[in-house]
Amino acid sequence: GESVGLHLPTLSVQEGDNSIINCAYSNSASDYFIWYKQESGKGPQFIIDIRSNMDKRQGQRVTVLLNKTVKHLSLQIAATQPGDSAVYFCAENQAGTALIFGKGTTLSVSS
Amino acid sequence: DTAVSQTPKYLVTQMGNDKSIKCEQNLGHDTMYWYKQDSKKFLKIMFSYNNKELIINETVPNRFSPKSPDKAHLNLHINSLELGDSAVYFCASSQVRSGGREKLFFGSGTQLSVL
Repeated sequence: GESVGLHLPTLSVQEGDNSIINCAYSNSASDYFIWYKQESGKGPQFIIDIRSNMDKRQGQRVTVLLNKTVKHLSLQIAATQPGDSAVYFCAENQAGTALIFGKGTTLSVSS
Repeated sequence: DTAVSQTPKYLVTQMGNDKSIKCEQNLGHDTMYWYKQDSKKFLKIMFSYNNKELIINETVPNRFSPKSPDKAHLNLHINSLELGDSAVYFCASSQVRSGGREKLFFGSGTQLSVL
């Protein structure tokens, strides 16, 4: 079946930089997207979500962008901190299915 | 208070054994899930229950049997454990009926190691 994927498995940034994590999805019927953060030894933690009737949504230090034309989702983290180091997953959902996760990007923040 | 709690945190067992993982949520959600995370961190849905009713079963072997005594609990029993069952199992819950647009809340995971 179709699945959500990520462009890069790892991303290394310096503390204070802005981070951009990308995700490509293939199912054009998906209409709800979520970003999760998973720290070592913990379960995925909700960061931000966006519905397909929007193209941008902002949270605290995070912004999600959705480009339905090219089926692309991105997570922007402003002023990245060491505590942001984790694995980030995008996930998609459409009616009749459970949340489908991408493969994850490991973000490493060095100070 | 932990919203979604699962026990045990670690489970080490021999091939062929039967084991159970328990999950409880105190969020008042109607839907609960089991996900499996492999060594490459890939998360895959296994089961979904809504109000004790099985909604999703993603071609998981019959050796895996979920049990939901009430909507706050979803336990996972695994018979005749195999080496390939080694993974981290996550329980999750959500407020929207499975099939809708849902934000999941996850437990901290159970790391299962089959020797």
